[in-house]
Amino acid sequence: GQQVMQIPQYQHVQEGEDFTTYCNSSTTLSNIQWYKQRPGGHPVFLIQLVKSGEVKKQKRLTFQFGEAKKNSSLHITATQTTDVGTYFCAALGGSGGYQKVTFGTGTKLQVIP
Amino acid sequence: EPEVTQTPSHQVTQMGQEVILRCVPISNHLYFYWYRQILGQKVEFLVSFYNNEISEKSEIFDDQFSVERPDGSNFTLKIRSTKLEDSAMYFCASRDLAGAYNEQFFGPGTRLTVL
Repeated sequence: GQQVMQIPQYQHVQEGEDFTTYCNSSTTLSNIQWYKQRPGGHPVFLIQLVKSGEVKKQKRLTFQFGEAKKNSSLHITATQTTDVGTYFCAALGGSGGYQKVTFGTGTKLQVIP
Repeated sequence: EPEVTQTPSHQVTQMGQEVILRCVPISNHLYFYWYRQILGQKVEFLVSFYNNEISEKSEIFDDQFSVERPDGSNFTLKIRSTKLEDSAMYFCASRDLAGAYNEQFFGPGTRLTVL
C-alpha cells in the first residue's frame, strides 16, 4: 500500500530558529494535506496542496508540493513555543474520491525557549 | 464554531469485551472517518463512511470492527472482542461534501485501554 514517510522524526530547535519537515511518498499524489497535532490533542488541518510545484504561505509557515507530486515540505520561519507539536502530512486517495487518507509518520517539533 | 464531539473521553475494558465508541460529527457534514493512534505513533486510517455505507477501509479494519450511523447525528465504532493491541486513541473526523479543501475536522478522541 501507499507509504508516506517524513523526516526528521524529531527536531529540537531554539526559539527563533527555522524548522523544516519533509514528506515523501512512494507513489505520485493527487494532493497532500498538512495537519498539526499539539501534545495531547487531535490533528488540526493546516492546508491542502493540489498543483505540481505549488507553494502556499500561512504567516510564518510555507508549504511546498514537489514538481513530481511525490514529496512536500513544511517550513516554519522563526519558530515560537506555540509551534510545538507533531506535524503530519497526509495523502488523500481511494476509489471513492479522497475517502482514504494515509498519514505520514510525523515530525515532532520541540521549541526550546 | 461547530465541532466534532466524542464520548467517552477514556474507556477502560477487559480483553475480549465489546466496546462502542461514539462520535457526533458536525451537523451538515456527510463524510465520516475513524482513525486510531497508538501512543507516540502516527495517525492510522481505519474507515470512511458516506451515504450510509463504508467507502474505504484499511487492513486494520477487520471483522472485529464495525461502524454505524444509527440516527441522524451519531456515528459509532464497535470493536467486537477487544485485544490488548487495540489500546490506542481513536479519533473520529468528518468533512463537508462541498468543502473546497477536503478539510477533515477531528474530534478530541477516545482513549481506549484494553487490560
